[in-house]
Amino acid sequence: EPEVTQTPSHQVTQMGQEVILRCVPISNHLYFYWYRQILGQKVEFLVSFYNNEISEKSEIFDDQFSVERPDGSNFTLKIRSTKLEDSAMYFCASSSWGPGTGELFFGEGSRLTVL
Amino acid sequence: KNEVEQSPQNLTAQEGEFITINCSYSVGISALHWLQQHPGGGIVSLFMLSSGKKKHGRLIATINIQEKHSSLHITASHPRDSAVYICAVVPVGTGNQFYFGTGTSLTVIP
Repeated sequence: EPEVTQTPSHQVTQMGQEVILRCVPISNHLYFYWYRQILGQKVEFLVSFYNNEISEKSEIFDDQFSVERPDGSNFTLKIRSTKLEDSAMYFCASSSWGPGTGELFFGEGSRLTVL
Repeated sequence: KNEVEQSPQNLTAQEGEFITINCSYSVGISALHWLQQHPGGGIVSLFMLSSGKKKHGRLIATINIQEKHSSLHITASHPRDSAVYICAVVPVGTGNQFYFGTGTSLTVIP
């Protein structure tokens, strides 16, 4: 069964360092998303990506964050200069259609720890 | 501000019990999703609803758009159903945005 894969599963980094989280969405999907979940808190929407551009982003997704689909298969989330409060589980998801009409498929998550 | 409220926050049930988890939301929506988050953290989509009712195995999801309310029911609960169940809505006019509930942590005891 096709699945969304994320790497790394866990990354530990020093505050101020750049981090890139990688996702391989399901191959025929068109919509891509990043979410985060701080430990013990609810899942939060970060950004959605469609047709090679950001279609929606939340207030959390400030200038420190960027997304890219560099090669038609990977979908990356970059955090330019990590802060302690960026420590969270980051989930990638993809869907064939937008979330108003289509099921989402999630990756297993990438746990980011900022020291 | 919390656009999506779930109840109860925590639920413990005996194996075999019928379980109901509720979700209320305050915004107009184009769809509502029920998600299951496993103890290891992974998230699986259970249902996407825009009206009426859907059933998949022992799981049933209903939505009342006028009352801005959805319920997830689990019949004949089993310990493997133990997980966090999350309601997420797609607000009208936002396209691909999601508002998530805080989740309901379910523990089913054998």
